[in-house]
Amino acid sequence: KAGVTQTPRYLIKTRGQQVTLSCSPISGHRSVSWYQQTPGQGLQFLFEYFSETQRNKGNFPGRFSGRQFSNSRSEMNVSTLELGDSALYLCASSLRVTGQETQYFGPGTRLLVL
Amino acid sequence: KNEVEQSPQNLTAQEGEFITINCSYSVGISALHWLQQHPGGGIVSLFMLSSGKKKHGRLIATINIQEKHSSLHITASHPRDSAVYICAVSRNQFYFGTGTSLTVIP
Repeated sequence: KAGVTQTPRYLIKTRGQQVTLSCSPISGHRSVSWYQQTPGQGLQFLFEYFSETQRNKGNFPGRFSGRQFSNSRSEMNVSTLELGDSALYLCASSLRVTGQETQYFGPGTRLLVL
Repeated sequence: KNEVEQSPQNLTAQEGEFITINCSYSVGISALHWLQQHPGGGIVSLFMLSSGKKKHGRLIATINIQEKHSSLHITASHPRDSAVYICAVSRNQFYFGTGTSLTVIP
């Protein structure tokens, strides 16, 4: 079974631009969660989608948004990029609701905002 | 205040040593997870615990729900165990510890 895939793997943007990141979960997994990892703040939860519905959202501004498609693939969007958005963005998938079973992480998208 | 506290932050061990990483949390949880992150970023889930103890190869994870504390033990450590180990607790979302950077020297 293929693992979780994320595209692109690396991205350079400038302040004010917007970016869309993509995550394809393991086949059959219906839950996708997104995380931001920075050296200063560590790993932080962004949001979780299950069956195309956002179930939970972390403490991030509205510039961060996401969606999930009927095939469980998910995208996250960051608008009006700021320097502080430079981070590793990870997605993870699980069969059912996050928190109650093992999550499988993708390799991440490394975003640099200049 | 962090919901999840890990110690130590950094750990250097000689190959073969027994290693313990500790995790304390302050919120009610559905489960506690131990994650491993190698340089380059990839994260692997090692254990998910809601009670008691689990063992996988040389790795052992324990949790004490009453004391809100978990430990990750590595027996007979090896240089390939060098990584960052992250404790996370799940409720309706994940809360992460800051990680323990482990270096095992041959």
